[in-house]
Amino acid sequence: RKEVEQDPGPFNVPEGATVAFNCTYSNSASQSFFWYRQDCRKEPKLLMSVYSSGNEDGRFTAQLNRASQYISLLIRDSKLSDSATYLCVVTRGGSSNTGKLIFGQGTTLQVKP
Amino acid sequence: DAGVIQSPRHEVTEMGQEVTLRCKPISGHDYLFWYRQTMMRGLELLIYFNNNVPIDDSGMPEDRFSAKMPNASFSTLKIQPSEPRDSAVYFCASSSHRGPSYEQYFGPGTRLTVT
Repeated sequence: RKEVEQDPGPFNVPEGATVAFNCTYSNSASQSFFWYRQDCRKEPKLLMSVYSSGNEDGRFTAQLNRASQYISLLIRDSKLSDSATYLCVVTRGGSSNTGKLIFGQGTTLQVKP
Repeated sequence: DAGVIQSPRHEVTEMGQEVTLRCKPISGHDYLFWYRQTMMRGLELLIYFNNNVPIDDSGMPEDRFSAKMPNASFSTLKIQPSEPRDSAVYFCASSSHRGPSYEQYFGPGTRLTVT
């Protein structure tokens, strides 16, 4: 089983739609959680950190459920520019917590006019 | 501020040749990471350094791969000899644990093609 699992998609949605991505992780000791965004043929970039209380940044909302080891990303009012691959990322926690990020395979979003 | 700098951006080489990829991390960052990305395997961590010291190289595929960090502002990833299956995008990333925890900044990548 992969340490971080995501539905690869692709998710094809019309502009203005609300879309949600889910991610599960296997290491219960993981301590930090992120969503990264990667545009086609570009490098990954941090989209937002994910906190236990949930956090929002404009149209984007991230939530963490430690009990279920589940992370989600909600995008409201989708824009064409949101088309990208979204990578779920966790740090390996416990005694080996050394800043090493574990990346999911990514979920591809295509927003259509 | 300059981000992570990688060179070359593209490299095409023949099987058996030596390939050297270069990375300059963000100034002040104490962690440096080398990743490889392919369609089949996604983003894989190859090796990472803390304060120029290799910490975890368990992701390095085999002895043909080696990485060095002679100082805080430079690292290399070398493949010798190269093989067609090494074709991928190689990213370098850096981070500072003095700031927001574990945010990594990626360079633009080196797209390697081995023929």
